[in-house]
Amino acid sequence: LAKTTQPISMDSYEGQEVNITCSHNNIATNDYITWYQQFPSQGPRFIIQGYKTKVTNEVASLFIPADRKSSTLSLPRVSLSDTAVYYCLVGDPFSSYKLIFGSGTRLLVRP
Amino acid sequence: NAGVTQTPKFRVLKTGQSMTLLCAQDMNHEYMYWYRQDPGMGLRLIHYSVGEGTTAKGEVPDGYNVSRLKKQNFLLGLESAAPSQTSVYFCASTSSPGDRVLPQETQYFGPGTRLLVL
Repeated sequence: LAKTTQPISMDSYEGQEVNITCSHNNIATNDYITWYQQFPSQGPRFIIQGYKTKVTNEVASLFIPADRKSSTLSLPRVSLSDTAVYYCLVGDPFSSYKLIFGSGTRLLVRP
Repeated sequence: NAGVTQTPKFRVLKTGQSMTLLCAQDMNHEYMYWYRQDPGMGLRLIHYSVGEGTTAKGEVPDGYNVSRLKKQNFLLGLESAAPSQTSVYFCASTSSPGDRVLPQETQYFGPGTRLLVL
């Protein structure tokens, strides 16, 4: 089974850049790595995904090294509204259902 | 366009009682999923469905049954609830053409059902 490891929590201040890393081994070779954001009392929602190198959208950037054993979600200039739990999602080549969520990183942004 | 809806939002059960959680999506998605979310454990896949009339086991299927009689609905049943099933349950759907689930297919989640089993 693929395994993922994320920090349990992180603290930051408004305006800072935040980097959250997910370590993942034994992930499916051809699958992308995806990140989700979850606010309290809501379901997770898609933020960004990538396969290798760097991907950027209007919300975040995602850095994936060549060996794909980790991925780093980068949130530029965070605001209070970025306080949430962030999950990585990878594919598992050894199971029939193929989807493994990380345990989540709780980000607290302080004023 | 409501997306993914879940019924009920909150429920309290006694040990041994049964109940059914309903998930509905109006996006004509093929794939639907049931997850449970527990503190410190992220989201774990219970069962999933790749189309109407088909279901498959996920990571933690024991104690749950599912049915997908209509494309837009995915039901999760607990035949005899146990305190270990106290959790928040999320339903999700993806358009996912093909024969396997893929992490790159964007999952659209419902708002969740909070279940407490006493």
